[in-house]
Amino acid sequence: AQTVTQSQPEMSVQEAETVTLSCTYDTSESDYYLFWYKQPPSRQMILVIRQEAYKQQNATENRFSVNFQKAAKSFSLKISDSQLGDAAMYFCAYKASGSRLTFGEGTQLTVNP
Amino acid sequence: DTGVSQDPRHKITKRGQNVTFRCDPISEHNRLYWYRQTLGQGPEFLTYFQNEAQLEKSRLLSDRFSAERPKGSFSTLEIQRTEQGDSAMYLCASSLEMGPKGETQYFGPGTRLLVL
Repeated sequence: AQTVTQSQPEMSVQEAETVTLSCTYDTSESDYYLFWYKQPPSRQMILVIRQEAYKQQNATENRFSVNFQKAAKSFSLKISDSQLGDAAMYFCAYKASGSRLTFGEGTQLTVNP
Repeated sequence: DTGVSQDPRHKITKRGQNVTFRCDPISEHNRLYWYRQTLGQGPEFLTYFQNEAQLEKSRLLSDRFSAERPKGSFSTLEIQRTEQGDSAMYLCASSLEMGPKGETQYFGPGTRLLVL
């Protein structure tokens, strides 16, 4: 079975600084997708970024980028120039092709002014 | 572009009652997923549909839970004889199987259930 592990229950960052959230996963599949979702308090789950496993290039979306290490089964999220609105619970998720999402336990990110 | 919508947003019920939740996916999406999320945890998969066919059910989905997606459009999730352990956020997501954004699931706001 696929598992996703987020080893940092909580992280904090100063506004305008950079923070990296860690995620590792376990799978025997070769075709899969990885995602980071953001869930602000009492609000909707929002897609931050996605990575296809067959792509070697790391995905980027504005201030958000990933470091995808396929051999190490590692998928970290880097947030640059952190903003107060980035404060949320961040979930790493894995998806084999045509299948369900498997989520990690989440990392609560606090942004300090 | 309308996102995924869910109704109701909140539901309080007494133990033993039946409840039904509705999810309307993004209009062109052919896949629809249900997840359950308890406080401080990541969502857990319950079931999913491709068009009107229910393709997979988690073992979390006991006999008291049933889901439908008539005509491949909206979906309903019913919980019969609710128990206090059913209290959670129920999330719906939809995706398009193919295309440049295929396999990406977009979530609704969720229905928060409290069983007293």
